[in-house]
Amino acid sequence: EAQVTQNPRYLITVTGKKLTVTCSQNMNHEYMSWYRQDPGLGLRQIYYSMNVEVTDKGDVPEGYKVSRKEKRNFPLILESPSPNQTSLYFCASSSPLESGGYTFGSGTRLTVV
Amino acid sequence: SQQGEEDPQALSIQEGENATMNCSYKTSINNLQWYRQNSGRGLVHLILIRSNEREKHSGRLRVTLDTSKKSSSLLITASRAADTASYFCATDQSYKLSFGAGTTVTVRA
Repeated sequence: EAQVTQNPRYLITVTGKKLTVTCSQNMNHEYMSWYRQDPGLGLRQIYYSMNVEVTDKGDVPEGYKVSRKEKRNFPLILESPSPNQTSLYFCASSSPLESGGYTFGSGTRLTVV
Repeated sequence: SQQGEEDPQALSIQEGENATMNCSYKTSINNLQWYRQNSGRGLVHLILIRSNEREKHSGRLRVTLDTSKKSSSLLITASRAADTASYFCATDQSYKLSFGAGTTVTVRA
């Protein structure tokens, strides 16, 4: 089944403790991106990647890092999480060769205390 | 930045009725997409309309796009309880997907 897999689904952590949220897609998509969703603000793009080793900032990149060493994986790294990064995070992928939209993962609900 | 803005913010309709929601955006786009989200779960792609298209259908969904007014509408016909969800428009500017805050649709049985 074509899908984007995020892990973990839920995570509670403490301020300052580094964490990584993984994202993997099995559709050979070139493009991957991360979003955070907060009430009343919709989804905001954090980082995106056009292909392997190519990443760029979205609208809210502060406090986040990403890497794209392999085409299928696009992990989101929070080096020193803070409470304002408590949010619902989504990974998405797509391909310019396909006419459809983006495929989203099921989300990671992160709480930083 | 929030490119798309949906209207209304919330909509409550009876099963069988049609639901219409609108989206306005600010800058030029490659395409506009509509997504559905069920209560905190992942977004599901519904339909994509390119900037050179004016109308598109998919099952019970009808999407229009007016690039001169920078607006789009999503019509769901003959709504069902399963259509209860939040609906988002997203504008695609060379792979920068910008979402609005969404319209929450409740379909009453």
